Amino acid sequence: SQTIHQWPATLVQPVGSPLSLECTVEGTSNPNLYWYRQAAGRGLQLLFYSVGIGQISSEVPQNLSASRPQDRQFILSSKKLLLSDSGFYLCAWTGGRDSDTQYFGPGTRLTVL
Amino acid sequence: GQNIDQPTEMTATEGAIVQINCTYQTSGFNGLFWYQQHAGEAPTFLSYNVLDGLEEKGRFSSFLSRSKGYSYLLLKELQMKDSASYLCAVINSNYQLIWGAGTKLIIKP
Repeated sequence: SQTIHQWPATLVQPVGSPLSLECTVEGTSNPNLYWYRQAAGRGLQLLFYSVGIGQISSEVPQNLSASRPQDRQFILSSKKLLLSDSGFYLCAWTGGRDSDTQYFGPGTRLTVL
Repeated sequence: GQNIDQPTEMTATEGAIVQINCTYQTSGFNGLFWYQQHAGEAPTFLSYNVLDGLEEKGRFSSFLSRSKGYSYLLLKELQMKDSASYLCAVINSNYQLIWGAGTKLIIKP
């Protein structure tokens, strides 16, 4: 069966510090991968998605970037965090038999102080 | 533009039935999802509708009317653990997933 991992689970970072969040998927190949952010009490905002290694589509211009160095690895980064980057970051994947259904990792709660 | 409308919050009583509505205006339609999200957790998949009609899964059912741009999620025999946010999402003609802001469901004993 497929599983999706994210780490860390929680993170507290000062303004201006760098960020690296990692997401990996097991049990499938060639997944589509997604990064979302959810502000407190709000809906999901799509940040990036990728349909293959090295391919990244950005949905929202901001100080975040994403990379996909391996088929089942998706990384979200920032060189300098802003207060507004605080939120719940979710990685999701699609693929397999029910190819349109997105399955989410456990998320990373980021607080920028 | 594209948007999905859901009530912000609903309250229901344990053991009762509740219907959460979702209306959408999107550029084309290729399916509609419902997800459940407990506070502080990731969304989990509940249902997928691509054809008109009712899909039943245990205590949860989801209905779709493509001509009306409308769906609802029906929860029966409510339990306290059903207290969560319920997210409606639509796949448009470009296979983009458009998300609603979610409906927070509060269950009272």
